[in-house]
Amino acid sequence: DAGVTQSPTHLIKTRGQQVTLRCSPKSGHDTVSWYQQALGQGPQFIFQYYEEEERQRGNFPDRFSGHQFPNYSSELNVNALLLGDSALYLCASSSQGVETQYFGPGTRLLVL
Amino acid sequence: QKEVEQNSGPLSVPEGAIASLNCTYSDRGSQSFFWYRQYSGKSPELIMFIYSNGDKEDGRFTAQLNKASQYVSLLIRDSQPSDSATYLCAVTGSGSARQLTFGSGTQLTVLP
Repeated sequence: DAGVTQSPTHLIKTRGQQVTLRCSPKSGHDTVSWYQQALGQGPQFIFQYYEEEERQRGNFPDRFSGHQFPNYSSELNVNALLLGDSALYLCASSSQGVETQYFGPGTRLLVL
Repeated sequence: QKEVEQNSGPLSVPEGAIASLNCTYSDRGSQSFFWYRQYSGKSPELIMFIYSNGDKEDGRFTAQLNKASQYVSLLIRDSQPSDSATYLCAVTGSGSARQLTFGSGTQLTVLP
């Protein structure tokens, strides 16, 4: 049973650049949520995708955008990177109507 | 006031002891409550969830929920060095996405 997968595992970018992170949900799941986890903090909700649409968004600027594909996989895009965007980006998958979310291994982004 | 607060750590217990982790939340509309374990450098791993008032036991772990007091706890019996990790408390929001709101985590060290 394949779990949640994310790519890449690590990424180094410079300020002002753009980045795309990818996620494939657990088999049988149709909902993908993205979280940002800064060092020493709990994850913070960025947004959730279901049926290829953004369902809800947390307190993140429009520089953060996403997409969900027909096969339920998802991308997170961040434009105009800031130093403060350095964090662990986590993808969590779930089934519609079931609140339990399972996390992927994360992508660690460093912005220089 | 933070939406989800966890008892300040770090917390150290000797091997074989009971570790007690506490969490309070501010949103009375929260429906579901989760405990995740996060090893250093890894992503959060779901260990327990609870929806109803009372206790829920799973092996060495017991989750306790008191909605009137807006309080949820996790007890780890017969603590092992492998339990050393950061424990994250999460509650679901009242929005349609049921996104998770996390506390900052409590770092637990089990001393051999």
